[in-house]
Amino acid sequence: DVKVTQSSRYLVKRTGEKVFLECVQDMDHENMFWYRQDPGLGLRLIYFSYDVKMKEKGDIPEGYSVSREKKERFSLILESASTNQTSMYLCASTGDRVLNQPQHFGDGTRLSIL
Amino acid sequence: AQSVAQPEDQVNVAEGNPLTVKCTYSVSGNPYLFWYVQYPNRGLQFLLKYITGDNLVKGSYGFEAEFNKSQTSFHLKKPSALVSDSALYFCAVRDGGNSGYALNFGKGTSLLVTP
Repeated sequence: DVKVTQSSRYLVKRTGEKVFLECVQDMDHENMFWYRQDPGLGLRLIYFSYDVKMKEKGDIPEGYSVSREKKERFSLILESASTNQTSMYLCASTGDRVLNQPQHFGDGTRLSIL
Repeated sequence: AQSVAQPEDQVNVAEGNPLTVKCTYSVSGNPYLFWYVQYPNRGLQFLLKYITGDNLVKGSYGFEAEFNKSQTSFHLKKPSALVSDSALYFCAVRDGGNSGYALNFGKGTSLLVTP
């Protein structure tokens, strides 16, 4: 069965800290995505990656960066956390060249920046 | 550009009654359409998709959706609602004529099924 695992369910950090959110998938998928989810705004795409060491900006990349050193792992980095980055973060993955296949989601990381 | 709209923030239905959650889309090419469900403190779970073929698509948990090209809609339906269907539902679209990888999600509709 498909599995996308996010390393933390809940995380509390301080303003200015560098924050790492980790995501691992066990389906050998090429494509991985990071979204943030906020009430009334739905899901907004931050970054995605279609191959190892490849990345593309989504709709709201400002204040974030990503790392994809291995196929199964996609990390989201908040370079200097700010309170407006308090949100639910969702990781997803999907297979290569079959982009009409659904994305599989992790359970999310609820991040609070104090 | 591609986008999707869910015009209702919340839908209330009595258990046993039919339910409909509305979704309209906008794409320049052929639409690839998806419905997802999110239970509290969980990620999104895939329900069903429309890529091509029959306009009526059947999915998980007894849900179905009807693709209507003339009305650019993809409404989610279930003949008889269960209390356990109460959750947040998201519609998403990808432009099949676009080589991009991303889905555009709607803002979500909260479904409340009362006993």
